[in-house]
Amino acid sequence: QLQLQESGPGLVKPSETLSLTCTVSGGSISSTSYYWGWIRQPPGKGLEWIGSIYYSGSTYYNPSLKSRVTISVDTSKNQFSLKLSSVTAADTAVYYCARRIDYYDSSGYSPIFDYWGQGTLVTVSS
Amino acid sequence: SSELTQDPAVSVALGQTVRITCQGDILRYHYASWYQQKPGQAPVLVIYGKNNRPSGIPDRFSGSSSGNTASLTITGAQAEDEADYYCNSRDSSGNHWVFGGGTKLTVL
Repeated sequence: QLQLQESGPGLVKPSETLSLTCTVSGGSISSTSYYWGWIRQPPGKGLEWIGSIYYSGSTYYNPSLKSRVTISVDTSKNQFSLKLSSVTAADTAVYYCARRIDYYDSSGYSPIFDYWGQGTLVTVSS
Repeated sequence: SSELTQDPAVSVALGQTVRITCQGDILRYHYASWYQQKPGQAPVLVIYGKNNRPSGIPDRFSGSSSGNTASLTITGAQAEDEADYYCNSRDSSGNHWVFGGGTKLTVL
């Protein structure tokens, strides 16, 4: 059974860089079928897609966060990571890592985020 | 537009049928996937594609799509279906993914 686990500091100071790692177990991050991504959820609010990475290193970022986000992958450790720079209180959220499949059939396309980590709360505060 | 719009809250009587909708121009070209999120838990995929359920999702959950609107229907809602529901799809660029604002479902 595939498992994803987020790790990293739960408290980050304003203007500093938030860094999180997602460790994948029970499967290979190097599979050609999957993308790996980060999604966040501010307290009491909805889900926001942050970005995705393919095992080869190709990245896709939310345009609203692109200037501050870097996602990287370490296939040797079966991990991928998120860095978000110049954080403010608005970046306080539960951060989830997740696996994405691009599903196609005769009817069309649908994204599938099928495995999620449990989420980790990151608070931005001095 | 790359936005997906959902009603903030919907309620349903126990055992009745409820439809949760998601609107967006991109849904004319792509299907949505749907996620159930209970308090303190990670989202769980419940519907993807035209109308596909992952293993373990009850068959009272179904999906449909028409024009710019995707719908999640729960036929015979149970108390355990009370949760937040989010739709998700790909935006017009093809390289970004967006979530709807979420619908809080209350089972009365």
